[in-house]
Amino acid sequence: GAVVSQHPSWVICKSGTSVKIECRSLDFQATTMFWYRQFPKQSLMLMATSNEGSKATYEQGVEKDKFLINHASLTLSTLTVTSAHPEDSSFYICSAMTSGGYNEQFFGPGTRLTVL
Amino acid sequence: LAKTTQPISMDSYEGQEVNITCSHNNIATNDYITWYQQFPSQGPRFIIQGYKTKVTNEVASLFIPADRKSSTLSLPRVSLSDTAVYYCLVGARTKIIFGSGTRLSIRP
Repeated sequence: GAVVSQHPSWVICKSGTSVKIECRSLDFQATTMFWYRQFPKQSLMLMATSNEGSKATYEQGVEKDKFLINHASLTLSTLTVTSAHPEDSSFYICSAMTSGGYNEQFFGPGTRLTVL
Repeated sequence: LAKTTQPISMDSYEGQEVNITCSHNNIATNDYITWYQQFPSQGPRFIIQGYKTKVTNEVASLFIPADRKSSTLSLPRVSLSDTAVYYCLVGARTKIIFGSGTRLSIRP
């Protein structure tokens, strides 16, 4: 199947700093990418939908000025957590959707963010 | 997007067949049913997808009755490595909203 990578796999940062997480589709072009957040023992929560070349669509309750999403190419989307706080510590997962007939989603391995 | 209901947790033993049922009473005509598996600190992994009747692949089978208001994921002869959270999702293959999932624990 198609491969999606995330970088970094884990990151620790100080409160108040910004962190950028990259999501790449390695062997296919993804017109749409999704960003999820997952807290321990909980399900994945969709944060936003990112379409190449356009602004991201955020889910209700997700601050678009805090979680900046850029989808500049068909293989790369980035999530920047600005002015991170300890409550932003979570597991962030991206997925990429193929533009083929089946529109399947393929998930990245996730990024563990810890804000001190 | 159709809401799904599945058991919070299930236990079984190695070598057994495990069936996880998901209810989706308000499934729409163009909705597909997809199951994902997730291990701790990893992204979800696609298991199987279907629209109606039965679908089988190398790891699982998916049974969907005629009214499509429920579906059953069947894992044959589970092993310890099948311990994970299993998510049932219903949608038109675009935006995916995850439910609570079923935490499956396999014992020796």
